[in-house]
Amino acid sequence: ETGVTQSPTHLIKTRGQQVTLRCSSQSGHNTVSWYQQALGQGPQFIFQYYREEENGRGNFPPRFSGLQFPNYSSELNVNALELDDSALYLCASSSGGIAGIDEQYFGPGTRLTVT
Amino acid sequence: DQQVKQNSPSLSVQEGRISILNCDYTNSMFDYFLWYKKYPAEGPTFLISISSIKDKNEDGRFTVFLNKSAKHLSLHIVPSQPGDSAVYFCAAITINTGKLIFGQGTTLQVKP
Repeated sequence: ETGVTQSPTHLIKTRGQQVTLRCSSQSGHNTVSWYQQALGQGPQFIFQYYREEENGRGNFPPRFSGLQFPNYSSELNVNALELDDSALYLCASSSGGIAGIDEQYFGPGTRLTVT
Repeated sequence: DQQVKQNSPSLSVQEGRISILNCDYTNSMFDYFLWYKKYPAEGPTFLISISSIKDKNEDGRFTVFLNKSAKHLSLHIVPSQPGDSAVYFCAAITINTGKLIFGQGTTLQVKP
């Protein structure tokens, strides 16, 4: 069974640029959630996708967008990067669907630095 | 608005002793509470959970206690081992959202 993988591991971008982060879900999982973890803080929910549809969003501006593909892999896109976007971005997959307490399996994260 | 709070940034415990990690919450609508453990350069891994209708759940060395009237939960690790040294996150979830709300984390150091 393949776990959750994320790419790239690290990324450095300049303010105003755009970035795409990628996540491959664990086999058999149809739900993916994205989290932002700032230094010294807990992960904050960005949004969740279930079967290619957005299914809930946290307090993040529209310049944070996502996609989920038919194979349930996912992308997080961030436009017009700001310095405060520097963080660890985590994705988590689960088989819980729209509602569920099924365990979320996290990837190792992508460390984004905006200069 | 921090709905889940871990007020102790760090905790140091001697090997073999009990580790107690605390968490407070404000939203009485949470259905489940979870604890995650995170090692450096890895994603959080699920440790143990408890339903809001229970007051205790035990799994091996790990026990979670829930006090709904105080909106407080705690994770007990007995006996603590050096391999338990990690950042521990408390999280809460409502079933109809599937959204995990995390606390800030507590760094546990277990000294040999």
